[in-house]
Amino acid sequence: AQKITQTQPGMFVQEKEAVTLDCTYDTSDQSYGLFWYKQPSSGEMIFLIYQGSYDEQNATEGRYSLNFQKARKSANLVISASQLGDSAMYFCAVSGSARQLTFGSGTQLTVLP
Amino acid sequence: EPEVTQTPSHQVTQMGQEVILRCVPISNHLYFYWYRQILGQKVEFLVSFYNNEISEKSEIFDDQFSVERPDGSNFTLKIRSTKLEDSAMYFCASSETSGRYEQFFGPGTRLTVL
Repeated sequence: AQKITQTQPGMFVQEKEAVTLDCTYDTSDQSYGLFWYKQPSSGEMIFLIYQGSYDEQNATEGRYSLNFQKARKSANLVISASQLGDSAMYFCAVSGSARQLTFGSGTQLTVLP
Repeated sequence: EPEVTQTPSHQVTQMGQEVILRCVPISNHLYFYWYRQILGQKVEFLVSFYNNEISEKSEIFDDQFSVERPDGSNFTLKIRSTKLEDSAMYFCASSETSGRYEQFFGPGTRLTVL
């Protein structure tokens, strides 16, 4: 069984500042993937970043980086230089041998001007 | 850039009616998925499909649900007799067979059961 815990239901950040969204995971699979998706108010799910369990380097995609700490089972998302368009719900997810994604409950990020 | 498409964007139905939600996955992807998101809640896995058969399903995916790939491009989710609690956003997703497992989601179909 897999589980994702996102302990921050809501976060606020000032425009142009960096913000970290927390995610801890639990899985019995040796090989797994960690994902972050963004869901704006329009409802679509936008893939942001992926980290494989055997990847030695932390993943980065533009302003997004994933702070992967395997021993702590954490996969925090860091957004640098926040923009107003970053205001959205952010979901962390894990997949393993079965491939389906298990999502957390999400963090609602609000970027303040 | 290739994308997953879903139709309709919004479906309203009466309780007890059958609905079919349609998806066109990305053309070179071979794994397909359905997820649902009840309003204000997290996204939940329903079913995965590979090589023309179900590979995994959750406890939510009971006998009222079925999936099909009727042709080379469409992937459908059928709910035989809708209940009020089936009201949700239904997302289709697809992924490649090997390498990174990232799943690309469609825009969703909002199902409202009255």
